[in-house]
Order: sequence, then C-alpha cells, then structure tokens
Amino acid sequence: AQSVTQLGSHVSVSEGALVLLRCNYSSSVPPYLFWYVQYPNQGLQLLLKYTSAATLVKGINGFEAEFKKSETSFHLTKPSAHMSDAAEYFCAVSGRNSGYSTLTFGKGTMLLVSP
Amino acid sequence: DVKVTQSSRYLVKRTGEKVFLECVQDMDHENMFWYRQDPGLGLRLIYFSYDVKMKEKGDIPEGYSVSREKKERFSLILESASTNQTSMYLCASSLWGRGQFFGPGTRLTVL
Repeated sequence: AQSVTQLGSHVSVSEGALVLLRCNYSSSVPPYLFWYVQYPNQGLQLLLKYTSAATLVKGINGFEAEFKKSETSFHLTKPSAHMSDAAEYFCAVSGRNSGYSTLTFGKGTMLLVSP
Repeated sequence: DVKVTQSSRYLVKRTGEKVFLECVQDMDHENMFWYRQDPGLGLRLIYFSYDVKMKEKGDIPEGYSVSREKKERFSLILESASTNQTSMYLCASSLWGRGQFFGPGTRLTVL
C-alpha cells in the first residue's frame, strides 16, 4: 500500500519569498513521485515527476523538488513566489505494484501569495 | 500536447436520473481514469481502465460504472444519481510509467 501526506492544507507566502510545500510518502516499493497544480475551476497540470533518475527534479514555472529516500520526502520548492503561483498543489505517488500507472494523491495544499 | 476533453464543464441533474460523463483523449494512451474531487478529501479514484473493454475498480466504485468501447473514450455512468454524488469529476489518461494528464473537469450537481 502507498500513501501521501501533505503537511499544511494552506500555506501563505509573500510575493518574492521562498515557496516550500511539504510531501511525505509511504511506499513498500521504489516509488515514482509527482507534483500537480490546479488553478480554480480547472483540471490538474503536471508540474514535475521523479522516476528514479536524478533526485533533484526541475519542473515548469521555476518549481523543483528533491527526492530524499532517507526522509521519505519529496518537497516542492520555488525560490521566489509570484502572484500567479496561487493555486492548489497535489503530491502523488505511484508504485511498481500498479505498473506505475495508478496514483495515490495527497489531500492538497492551497498556496496563497500576498503582494 | 496531450489533450483530454470532457463532455461538459457543468451539469445539473435530478435524483434518480441516469448520468453519463464522457472523456476523450487524443494521444493513444492505454490507461484512462475517473476521479472525484471533494474539498478536504483530495482526489479519489473511482475506476480505471488499462485497455479497451477492460476496467478495474478504484477506491470508491460504489454507485458508479464505466464503459470503454474505444481506446480514446472512457465513460463514467451514474446509474441512479444521488445528492451525495454532487462533486467535481476529473478524467485522466496516461502511458505506462508516465504521469497522468487531466481533463478540465465536470462539476456535477444532483438536486
């Protein structure tokens, strides 16, 4: 079985500040890990993914995440927040037992960016 | 770019009605998925399909069925809609081992 925990249902930052969204996973097999973003009234858009290559993964819109096996974490960061980053972010895990096809999602973190 | 389309953005139905939600993808993906999204609960998998005419139950299949007659199309069916099925429904598709690509969602209200 696999699961994802996102710490903090809401995170507030000021424009220009560091963004850090936390994700911890549980998986009995080497996982694939994903971050998605959802803007209001839209579907989810893939930000980045870890699939057992480089542990530091760069994604779209200046986001990156680092896979840390010892900490079972895959935190999402961005050096400088923009107003346009305000959205809900979902971490997800996929495992070999599902052929790396099905995803288990965290409950999401709403990022609020103030001027 | 992968495109996943859903037949309606907003839908209002009455209790007891049979409801069809359609999803089409244009990138020849093997896998297709239906989720519902509710505040505070995140995304929950209803059904998925690895191939035409194949279907697998997800975490919350009760009250739903699916149909996949063609590779590009995956339909979610609510046999008799109930108010607790009011939700945002999201369709996704993927290749094996890749991330999923999502449609824009259908916000269903059951009165």
